Amino acid sequence: EDKVVQSPLSLVVHEGDTVTLNCSYEVTNFRSLLWYKQEKKAPTFLFMLTSSGIEKKSGRLSSILDKKELFSILNITATQTGDSAIYLCAVTPGGAQKLVFGQGTRLTINP
Amino acid sequence: DTGVSQDPRHKITKRGQNVTFRCDPISEHNRLYWYRQTLGQGPEFLTYFQNEAQLEKSRLLSDRFSAERPKGSFSTLEIQRTEQGDSAMYLCASRIGTSGWDNEQFFGPGTRLTVL
Repeated sequence: EDKVVQSPLSLVVHEGDTVTLNCSYEVTNFRSLLWYKQEKKAPTFLFMLTSSGIEKKSGRLSSILDKKELFSILNITATQTGDSAIYLCAVTPGGAQKLVFGQGTRLTINP
Repeated sequence: DTGVSQDPRHKITKRGQNVTFRCDPISEHNRLYWYRQTLGQGPEFLTYFQNEAQLEKSRLLSDRFSAERPKGSFSTLEIQRTEQGDSAMYLCASRIGTSGWDNEQFFGPGTRLTVL
């Protein structure tokens, strides 16, 4: 069965800190891994990583994919209170259209 | 607003009643997905449409659940004889159909269902 595990489940840091969120997966015929940010409403897309794109960066956020060890990390540098959210990791199994999500990491940034 | 929209945003019902939710995807998106999210968990896949054809269904989708996308545009999700365990956020997502590995799905705000 396809499985995505995120850690930690919850993280509290101070504004300005750097955080690393982890995502490990077991999936049949991996196609892509996606990161989403969820505040009080819909998940919003951050990054997609595939075999042809294993590192992505956007401003203070960056992500890498290790296909050999079956994990990804999401880094956020110089955190701000607006980064407080649940961060979701999802994978696309081969032959399917669905996303398989992990439980999410709840990140809280204190001023 | 040209994003995915869902209606209603909140629904409270009594156990045993039927409920129906609507999703309007981004206009040029031919692929549409339904997910269910409970507190403290990530979204779980329910079903997928490509245009009007329902091509994937999760084992989570019991015979009390039915989804349609009659004209390949908006979609409805109906739950019959609701149970308290159906209480969750129901999320709709859409994306444009392309070849390759791209599976970036855009999510709507969700419908929060509470079954009393």
